[in-house]
Amino acid sequence: AQRVTQPEKLLSVFKGAPVELKCNYSYSGSPELFWYVQYSRQRLQLLLRHISRESIKGFTADLNKGETSFHLKKPFAQEEDSAMYYCAPSPSGGSYIPTFGRGTSLIVHP
Amino acid sequence: EAGVAQSPRYKIIEKRQSVAFWCNPISGHATLYWYQQILGQGPKLLIQFQNNGVVDDSQLPKDRFSAERLKGVDSTLKIQPAKLEDSAVYLCASSSIRDDGNNSPLHFGNGTRLTVT
Repeated sequence: AQRVTQPEKLLSVFKGAPVELKCNYSYSGSPELFWYVQYSRQRLQLLLRHISRESIKGFTADLNKGETSFHLKKPFAQEEDSAMYYCAPSPSGGSYIPTFGRGTSLIVHP
Repeated sequence: EAGVAQSPRYKIIEKRQSVAFWCNPISGHATLYWYQQILGQGPKLLIQFQNNGVVDDSQLPKDRFSAERLKGVDSTLKIQPAKLEDSAVYLCASSSIRDDGNNSPLHFGNGTRLTVT
């Protein structure tokens, strides 16, 4: 069965501290992997996808196929990073049907 | 581009009543999704359309939920009769189809918050 796990419901850090939001997945084949973010009073939106291999707002995510993980990282957290983050793998090829994790709430304190 | 539009933003009904939600996707987006997000959980896919055809409705409780996208553009999701456990935010999303035949990432609407009392 396809499954995505975000073990931390809440992650609380101080400004300038490193951040790592964990995501583990269980999928057959090689899924496409995405992180979505929801800032307060805004709609859910794409943050980044693993095939782009880019850094968005200072965040990067490394796909580890051996550990089936796709953790989201930022070396120095900012207050404006406070939001809900969702890991969302999807089967590759054919129909794109992402499955969302339960989300991790990141709070960055001043 | 205009975003995904949803209405209403909020709805309060009593159990056993019926309710309908409306979604207008981004112009040109062939794929439309309805998600249910219960408080404290991630969004759960209810149904996915490509144009006016259903791609996946395996998690749609078909005894009470129905959805349609008759002209391949906007869509409605209906619940009849509602139960207390249907209280959630109902999210609509759309995506386009890339040149490689796969879908682009999802664009979400603001959602409709449903409270069933």
